[in-house]
Amino acid sequence: DIVMTQSPDSLAVSLGERATINCKSSQSVLYSSNNKNYLAWYQQKPGQPPKLLISWASTRQSGVPDRFSGSGSGTDFTLTISSLQAEDVALYYCQQCYSTPYTFGQGTKLEIK
Amino acid sequence: EVQLVESGGGLVQPGGSLRLSCAASGFTFSRYWMHWVRQAPGKGLVWVSRISTDGSSSIYADSVKGRFTISRDNAKNTLYLQMNSLRAEDTALYYCSLYTSSLPAGFDYWGQGTLVTVSS
Repeated sequence: DIVMTQSPDSLAVSLGERATINCKSSQSVLYSSNNKNYLAWYQQKPGQPPKLLISWASTRQSGVPDRFSGSGSGTDFTLTISSLQAEDVALYYCQQCYSTPYTFGQGTKLEIK
Repeated sequence: EVQLVESGGGLVQPGGSLRLSCAASGFTFSRYWMHWVRQAPGKGLVWVSRISTDGSSSIYADSVKGRFTISRDNAKNTLYLQMNSLRAEDTALYYCSLYTSSLPAGFDYWGQGTLVTVSS
């Protein structure tokens, strides 16, 4: 199974500042035949199901604010929130969809400093 | 509008059984692979199982293999998860979900979940 490891486990950032969450996979999730990284990012707020933010490591879903961006390739990925807003307080998860089981990272709790 | 509504959760004793359902609407259910994902209270997300469009192929996480069975009824637009030999560690909120892209790009639709509690 591919193990997904996020860092940090929790993060406190001031409003308007940048937040960066890292995700590392135990093996590459880059599929060479189509050059796509099978890596997704989710946001989960209390009492709600996860919301897909980013697919293919860097493709923002429709309706997701452009302050959210994803980057990385192979085994190392980053979710960046360029200017933290109060509504961004949540848990964030990465997930690999390269092979089953489609494993998730352990989550990163993002708070306001 | 895509809607996924899970039901069937509840309190069950260790060793017992439960069948979860996920009623789908707003999309052509028979065209999409479907998944179950669970989340223990205060814990992270864990993928549980996947079923193909026609139900002929399924796969499970090692933690539930041999105890859980995923199935679907395309005529009723409903996904199921039969859970047998339940353990305390199966206690979780169970979500059904799917990806609508042609390749697994991430789960873009989720239900609200149904809570399973395994306790004596």
